Amino acid sequence: GAGVSQSPRYKVAKRGQDVALRCDPISGHVSLFWYQQALGQGPEFLTYFQNEAQLDKSGLPSDRFFAERPEGSVSTLKIQRTQQEDSAVYLCASSLGGTAWETQYFGPGTRLLVL
Amino acid sequence: GNSVTQMEGPVTLSEEAFLTINCTYTATGYPSLFWYVQYPGEGLQLLLKATKADDKGSNKGFEATYRKETTSFHLEKGSVQVSDSAVYFCALLYNQGGKLIFGQGTELSVKP
Repeated sequence: GAGVSQSPRYKVAKRGQDVALRCDPISGHVSLFWYQQALGQGPEFLTYFQNEAQLDKSGLPSDRFFAERPEGSVSTLKIQRTQQEDSAVYLCASSLGGTAWETQYFGPGTRLLVL
Repeated sequence: GNSVTQMEGPVTLSEEAFLTINCTYTATGYPSLFWYVQYPGEGLQLLLKATKADDKGSNKGFEATYRKETTSFHLEKGSVQVSDSAVYFCALLYNQGGKLIFGQGTELSVKP
């Protein structure tokens, strides 16, 4: 079956623009995660959904970052008034159930460059 | 807080050489431990995992043993291939909502 998909794969934004990044998890997966990966670094957790409920948003770096998953499937990560330090690869992952121990399957990521 | 430290790369080996990538962690309680791999141009893939002390995870010839006494989860492979060239990430998962905590990654380059 299809894996986790993300769009767009690449996004160039001018500083101050708003961007929206989309994640389509594996069908039927309950949990969805967003991570931010800076160049040469490991991914860092941003936020976590179980169905439509956002259970943890402790990793969102500022109030310019907002994520939603209104119907418990597709998720959108929105960044308002982008800054150069927002340049990174944004990874989405999903897992089948709601338990912490299940394997997370990652999408290919969206590479965001803010000029 | 919880954290993961990996040996710095890049690591360059000849084909059929023995591989070790060191990973140590700091965590309260008993996390699960993972190795993820990122091949060029591809997304992160789970390579192996271990959920409790003394467990050994293995896959595709790679192995790692969860050592609580040394808080380590070193990745090993007896004979690397060119196709193993990738970036390897060690990660831990604590029981709070499934948040993975990653190390900084180790790039492996295998030469024929």
